[in-house]
Amino acid sequence: GESVGLHLPTLSVQEGDNSIINCAYSNSASDYFIWYKQESGKGPQFIIDIRSNMDKRQGQRVTVLLNKTVKHLSLQIAATQPGDSAVYFCAENIGAGSYQLTFGKGTKLSVIP
Amino acid sequence: KAGVTQTPRYLIKTRGQQVTLSCSPISGHRSVSWYQQTPGQGLQFLFEYFSETQRNKGNFPGRFSGRQFSNSRSEMNVSTLELGDSALYLCASSLGIQGNTIYFGEGSWLTVV
Repeated sequence: GESVGLHLPTLSVQEGDNSIINCAYSNSASDYFIWYKQESGKGPQFIIDIRSNMDKRQGQRVTVLLNKTVKHLSLQIAATQPGDSAVYFCAENIGAGSYQLTFGKGTKLSVIP
Repeated sequence: KAGVTQTPRYLIKTRGQQVTLSCSPISGHRSVSWYQQTPGQGLQFLFEYFSETQRNKGNFPGRFSGRQFSNSRSEMNVSTLELGDSALYLCASSLGIQGNTIYFGEGSWLTVV
């Protein structure tokens, strides 16, 4: 079946730099996308979401970009902090009566102080 | 307001036993979904309930079942436990309309020995 995938399994960035985490999705029917952050021993924490009728959405220090043409999603974190160290998951929902999220494998972000 | 609450947080069971996990959604949320997270398979969708009705079901054997009560609280049950059922079981809640933000609890860590 179709699934969400990630380009980079690990990412190390210097504190204060910007981070970019990428995600490729293959289901063209997906119309809702979410980024989650998961710290060790905890459940996924909602970061930001975007619907397919948008190509960019900004939150506090985070920006999600959606490129439907190439089925690509990215999460940008500005001025990365040690507290940003975690595993980041993208998830998609195909809508059309489905309430299921399909998750990517995750990218581990390590922030170097 | 309180987030998604899952109990118990940790439990150890023996092969062949059964287990029941509980989830209390965010107040006002009528949709509850369950996911299994393992290092090998990542986050996988189990099922989703809305107003006591199962709307979606993932590709898990019939040993995995769930239900939702009139107060939106949900339980999931796994019968005849196998070693491979060891995982973090996550509950998530939302208002239940597609595109609504989905929030996760901290999960229940199940170890089968």
